[in-house]
Amino acid sequence: GEDVEQSLFLSVREGDSSVINCTYTDSSSTYLYWYKQEPGAGLQLLTYIFSNMDMKQDQRLTVLLNKKDKHLSLRIADTQTGDSAIYFCAEKGNQGGKLIFGQGTELSVKP
Amino acid sequence: GAVVSQHPSRVICKSGTSVKIECRSLDFQATTMFWYRQFPKKSLMLMATSNEGSKATYEQGVEKDKFLINHASLTLSTLTVTSAHPEDSSFYICSAVPVPDTQYFGPGTRLTVL
Repeated sequence: GEDVEQSLFLSVREGDSSVINCTYTDSSSTYLYWYKQEPGAGLQLLTYIFSNMDMKQDQRLTVLLNKKDKHLSLRIADTQTGDSAIYFCAEKGNQGGKLIFGQGTELSVKP
Repeated sequence: GAVVSQHPSRVICKSGTSVKIECRSLDFQATTMFWYRQFPKKSLMLMATSNEGSKATYEQGVEKDKFLINHASLTLSTLTVTSAHPEDSSFYICSAVPVPDTQYFGPGTRLTVL
C-alpha cells in the first residue's frame, strides 16, 4: 500500500541549513508536496514537485527528488527561528486526488 | 490567492449537542474539498472527500451518520459533528482543490466537547 515516512524531529541552529527527509512507496505518484504547520494552525503549502523533476528551488527552499530511491528532501537555507514548525511531506495517491501524509518532522531552530 | 477559511476557529460544546464547521474557498471555486482530523502530535487523518453537488465519500471507519458533510456550493463545504462526545474533541482541518493535484488547507477548527 501507499506509505510515507519521515523522521520525527530535527534541531538546528539559526543560520544553518536544515534538511528534512521523506521516503514514499507509491512509484506512481505524480506530485509530491511539502506543507508547513505552525502550532494551532492549518497546513501551509510550501512547495511541490512533479515526479518527472529532480530538483526545484524557490528562494530559501530546495526540493530534491530521487525517484529511483523514492526519496524526497526539503532543504531550508539560512534557517530562522520563524521556520520552527512541523513539516509534512505528502504524495498524491492514485485514488481521487487524496494526499498520503508522512508523520511530520518537528523542526526546532535554536538561536 | 488560494485562500481557504474555516469557521469557527475554536468551539466548546456540551456533550450530546451538534456542531457545524464551515470550510470556504475565498478566491476560487472548489469542486472537491477534503476533511481531516488531527490528534495532538499526530499526522492528518483523512475523514472524507466532499464533492460539490454529490454525496461525500467517507474513509473506512468514519461514521457518515455522525460526521455529516454537505458541499452545497463551489465555495462552501460544511462538516456537522452530530451528538458530539468528548472523544470527538480534536482539530478538524479542511482543504480545497482549486487546480488539479494541489490542496490548500484551512486554518483548522479546535473542537472541545465537555
